[in-house]
Amino acid sequence: SQTIHQWPATLVQPVGSPLSLECTVEGTSNPNLYWYRQAAGRGLQLLFYSVGIGQISSEVPQNLSASRPQDRQFILSSKKLLLSDSGFYLCAWSVFGTVETQYFGPGTRLLVL
Amino acid sequence: RKEVEQDPGPFNVPEGATVAFNCTYSNSASQSFFWYRQDCRKEPKLLMSVYSSGNEDGRFTAQLNRASQYISLLIRDSKLSDSATYLCVVKRSMYSGGGADGLTFGKGTHLIIQP
Repeated sequence: SQTIHQWPATLVQPVGSPLSLECTVEGTSNPNLYWYRQAAGRGLQLLFYSVGIGQISSEVPQNLSASRPQDRQFILSSKKLLLSDSGFYLCAWSVFGTVETQYFGPGTRLLVL
Repeated sequence: RKEVEQDPGPFNVPEGATVAFNCTYSNSASQSFFWYRQDCRKEPKLLMSVYSSGNEDGRFTAQLNRASQYISLLIRDSKLSDSATYLCVVKRSMYSGGGADGLTFGKGTHLIIQP
């Protein structure tokens, strides 16, 4: 069966510090991968998606970046965090070529102070 | 007009009652629709897809009205465990190559089932 892992579960970082969130998927090959952010009182916002190794598409301009160094690994990064980066970050996967059913990881709660 | 709009609630409903909520979408070309459920401080999970003819899964019924561009979710005989936020989700049209369409999520409707 497929599983998706995210870490860390919770993170408190000062403004201006770097960020690295990791997501890995097990039990499937060549998945579509997604990074979402859910800010307080707001809906899920798609940040990045990837259809393959090294292939990243950005949905919104921001100071975040994403990378996919391996087929089932997706990393969200920032060189300098802003207060507005606080939120619940969710990684998700779907079968390649489809988006209808997305399976989400447990998420990372990021608080930037 | 927002792409996907939902009444945020909360809907406070007694256990055993029937509750329904709607969601409207702005893109008439949208092809696929879903309801996801999100428990407090947890990740969203697919509840059910919404088919043109309407579909039922146990106590849950989903319906689509393309003419009016809304979808609905009906929960019968509500349980305490139904308390959650229900996210209306619409599949966007293909906007780039590579087979990666996108899902647009509503902000969710918060449902509280009271004993």
